[in-house]
Amino acid sequence: GDSVTQMEGPVTLSEEAFLTINCTYTATGYPSLFWYVQYPGEGLQLLLKATKADDKGSNKGFEATYRKETTSFHLEKGSVQVSDSAVYFCALSESAGGTSYGKLTFGQGTILTVHP
Amino acid sequence: GAVVSQHPSRVICKSGTSVKIECRSLDFQATTMFWYRQFPKKSLMLMATSNEGSKATYEQGVEKDKFLINHASLTLSTLTVTSAHPEDSSFYICASPRGFGPLGYGYTFGSGTRLTVV
Repeated sequence: GDSVTQMEGPVTLSEEAFLTINCTYTATGYPSLFWYVQYPGEGLQLLLKATKADDKGSNKGFEATYRKETTSFHLEKGSVQVSDSAVYFCALSESAGGTSYGKLTFGQGTILTVHP
Repeated sequence: GAVVSQHPSRVICKSGTSVKIECRSLDFQATTMFWYRQFPKKSLMLMATSNEGSKATYEQGVEKDKFLINHASLTLSTLTVTSAHPEDSSFYICASPRGFGPLGYGYTFGSGTRLTVV
């Protein structure tokens, strides 16, 4: 079945440091890939997505490129802020066909803490 | 944007009682709702998928008689934890896909329900 593997956390960085959170996936078809963020005490929010190979998703300074050859979707940010401290989840969804929607399969989550 | 309102946000109940969690789509029709469970410092595990007007599809290992899911309307899906036990204590989250086309912009999540069974 489908699976998503994220790098183990927690990740602790100083403000303005470069961030990479690795994510690789296993899927039988051609999934869409997502990064979700969960801030303390809040629900999940979509950070960015990519729906096909070589697509780059970007939002709020974060980027991730859909790499089919390496089955990866690594999250990067050039300069993190304290406000980026949160849990980050990589996820995939395979279309159920036509206009139907597939379920989301999540990675285990990576806790990011950014210090001033 | 699309909003899924989930209630209650926190609930404490005694062992043996039942708890109902509601997820309402406020500005769109949620024909499908996914129910997830999140353990502390763990990922979200899909429990079941509900579709309006039909029986829910449960993931392997999830007790359908314990976790009752009802999706009676296009704007309301409910999860009832029956005869709750301390091991059912967890964070429960609903999510609905939105948008049109092969895949929408993403999925809209409820804010989650922290269930504590004492």
